[in-house]
Amino acid sequence: SQTIHQWPATLVQPVGSPLSLECTVEGTSNPNLYWYRQAAGRGLQLLFYSVGIGQISSEVPQNLSASRPQDRQFILSSKKLLLSDSGFYLCAWSVSSGMRSNQPQHFGDGTRLSIL
Amino acid sequence: ELKVEQNPLFLSMQEGKNYTIYCNYSTTSDRLYWYRQDPGKSLESLFVLLSNGAVKQEGRLMASLDTKARLSTLHITAAVHDLSATYFCAVELDNYGQNFVFGPGTRLSVLP
Repeated sequence: SQTIHQWPATLVQPVGSPLSLECTVEGTSNPNLYWYRQAAGRGLQLLFYSVGIGQISSEVPQNLSASRPQDRQFILSSKKLLLSDSGFYLCAWSVSSGMRSNQPQHFGDGTRLSIL
Repeated sequence: ELKVEQNPLFLSMQEGKNYTIYCNYSTTSDRLYWYRQDPGKSLESLFVLLSNGAVKQEGRLMASLDTKARLSTLHITAAVHDLSATYFCAVELDNYGQNFVFGPGTRLSVLP
């Protein structure tokens, strides 16, 4: 069966510090991968998605970046965090595009990021 | 651009009552998903609706899909406090890449 791991679960960082959040998927190959951010009490904001190794699409201009160094690894990074980067970050995977997946996205447990 | 709307955005209801949450979308799709999110937690898949007229039921929740009307409903029967959560619908497209579009969520509070 497929599983998705996301870490850390919580993170407190000072303004201006770097960030690295990691997400890995097991039990499937060539998944689509996604990073979302959710502000408190709000909906999901799609930040990045990837359809393959090294292929990253950004949905929202910001000081965050994403990388996919391996098929089932997705990393969210920042060189200098802003106060506005606080939120709940969710990684998700789905069956690759180009075919009818007939499956929902599957989400990791999330990382709660607080910027001080 | 696909838009997914949910109505209502906030719902406060008493235990034992029935209510329906609506999810409207603006383009053709026959794949729609419902998720539940508890406070401080991730999203959990509830229902997978893959064709016009699809109906799925789990406990006190029932979801349906009308692709011609571009409408999905999530019906709550005899609500209990444990159903308090935020419910999201998501439409799947045939795009290469960004193929899931989420609604804004409906925050449900079931009061004793």
